Amino acid sequence: EIVLTQSPGTLSLSPGERATLSCRPSQSVSSTYLAWYQQKPGQAPRLLIYGASSRATGIPDRFSGSGSGTDFTLTISRLEPEDFAVYYCQQYGSSPLTFGGGTKVEIK
Amino acid sequence: EVQLVESGGGLVQPGGSLRLSCAASGFTFSTYWITWARQAPGKGLEWVANIKQDGSEKNYVDSVKGRFTISRDNAKNSLYLQMNSLRAEDTAVYYCARSVEVCGHRCLYFDYWGQGTLVTVSS
Repeated sequence: EIVLTQSPGTLSLSPGERATLSCRPSQSVSSTYLAWYQQKPGQAPRLLIYGASSRATGIPDRFSGSGSGTDFTLTISRLEPEDFAVYYCQQYGSSPLTFGGGTKVEIK
Repeated sequence: EVQLVESGGGLVQPGGSLRLSCAASGFTFSTYWITWARQAPGKGLEWVANIKQDGSEKNYVDSVKGRFTISRDNAKNSLYLQMNSLRAEDTAVYYCARSVEVCGHRCLYFDYWGQGTLVTVSS
């Protein structure tokens, strides 16, 4: 099983700042099969990024993904008020499908 | 508009059973893998099970194998999860999610999610 370690656990930032979230798989993830999701309290997760760097439909271009192998990053270039949420990475190159523990982006 | 609506959650005693349903609309249900995932209170996400378009392939996380059964009815655009021998650690919000296949059952990501249904296992 591939374990995904997300860091930091919590990121305290102000609107307008840049957010950099890390996801590190315990083994190399095949072919950049990594996705990112956003979840707000009481809501379902929403797909942001798939294939490590492709934005899902309707996702603003302030969200970007990068990386490969055992080092992936989600970057939010300028935080908007609606971006404060929990973010999860998920690998889909190996069974079982696994998620990271999440990074909470909170208002400083 | 893609919609997934879960139902069937509730309070059940340890060892009991529950059947969850997920009603899909706004897309051609029969052409997608569909997944159940769950989230324990205050915790992260966990993949539980998935099922191929025609129901011919089903996969489960080890912790639910032999206790949970995933099924679908493409004529009714519906997904189900039969949960037996429930344990306290099965307490979670259960989500159904439309799944995008890249290379078979192990290569799925989730592009639309329902709002979830809460299952509480407690005496």
